Formats: sequence, structure tokens, C-alpha cells
Amino acid sequence: AIQMTQSPSSLSASIGDRVTITCRASQGIRNDLGWYQQKSGKAPKLLIYGASNLQSGVPSRFSGSGSGTDFTLTISSLQPEDFATYYCLHDYVYPRTFGQGTNVEIK
Amino acid sequence: EVQLVESGGGLVQPGGSLRLSCAASGFTFSTSWMTWVRQIPGKGLEWVANIDQTGTIENYADSVKGRFTISRDNTKNSLFLQMTSLRADDTAVYFCTRDISPEKSGITYDAFDIWGQGTMVTLSS
Repeated sequence: AIQMTQSPSSLSASIGDRVTITCRASQGIRNDLGWYQQKSGKAPKLLIYGASNLQSGVPSRFSGSGSGTDFTLTISSLQPEDFATYYCLHDYVYPRTFGQGTNVEIK
Repeated sequence: EVQLVESGGGLVQPGGSLRLSCAASGFTFSTSWMTWVRQIPGKGLEWVANIDQTGTIENYADSVKGRFTISRDNTKNSLFLQMTSLRADDTAVYFCTRDISPEKSGITYDAFDIWGQGTMVTLSS
């Protein structure tokens, strides 16, 4: 199975900061990658699919990029509601696999 | 209202079986791929299985292959996960989710846009 490695595992940031989360695949996955946000006790929420396509209704401060093995999720200006855990998920082959998650905390 | 509601979780002994259900409403269930994702409390997400619109194609995580079976009943707008030979490491919250399968430049992607609230499965002797 393809392994997805996120970095960092956690980060502390302030409101207004630019935040970047990285996801690396153990082999090339074209741009078959999604990003999800999960708040404590809630179901995940789709942010990005196809590495860079913003899901409808998701604020434009979220963006995704990358192709092959290296991908990034960027939050251009962190807002209070963005404190959560973020996961990448590849959909290149079966089985799909998630990254281990990145917890974004308030500094 | 578009929603998914899971049920069927509970306490089960190792080696036992359990059947999870997911009731869909507010959208055309029969046109959507559906997926199960699980999460050990306090830990990360794990993709478990998915099924195509007609129930013909099924895919599984290596950790559940041969033990879990995903199925659906489009006449009842319901998704199921039959779990057998349950182990301690199957303890988790199980979510069902809809895949809107968006297409861009001829490529169809996974995109899980609707999630249920989850149902807890606990293994304990």
C-alpha cells in the first residue's frame, strides 16, 4: 500500500499566519490527492480534491498544490475556525490511505 | 436535508460479528460511490472500504480484507458493513461517506463531501 507521510505532525500558529502542511507519498500518485479538515468530535470535512481543486463552499484562503509525490495544503491567513487536524488522502490506487494528520493549534 | 446516519455500533467480543448500517437521505443514493472510514478515538483516519453505485465493485483495506463486506440496498437508500472475525484493533468510530467523484480533465477523483456522525464499535471480552 502507498504510504502517506504528513509533516509536521503538529504546529502552533497565530491568527493571520500563513500555514503550510506537507504530504509526501511513498510513490508517485499523479495529482490524486485530497485534503480534509477534522475538528474535535466531528466528522471530517472535504477541503481539496485532485490536489488543487477547492471544494464548493470552502474559503479561498485554503489552497492545495503538488503532483507526483509531494503535496502541500496552504492556509493563507489562519482564522480562528481553522484550528483543527488536517489529513491528506490519496486516491491513486486501492487501498486508499490517509496521512497521519497534522494538528494545527493556537499559539 | 442531505445526510447520512450510521447505526449498528456497539460492544462485541473478539471473534464476533457486527453489521453497521448507514441511512442516506436528501440525495440520489443510487448514483453515488460510498465509502466507510474508521477512526480509533484520538487517532487518525483509516480508509476501510468502498462500493460502486450498483454494488458490483468493492474495494477493501488490507487490514479488513476477507473479514469485512461492504454492500448496499439502493431500494432502501442504505449502505452496510458486515464485520466478522472482529479483533481488538477494529475498535473505532466508523463513518460512512458519499463520494461525489468529480471529474477534471478526464480524471475522476475521490471527494468525500457528506459524512455521517459515526457509530462506535468497541471490542471487549
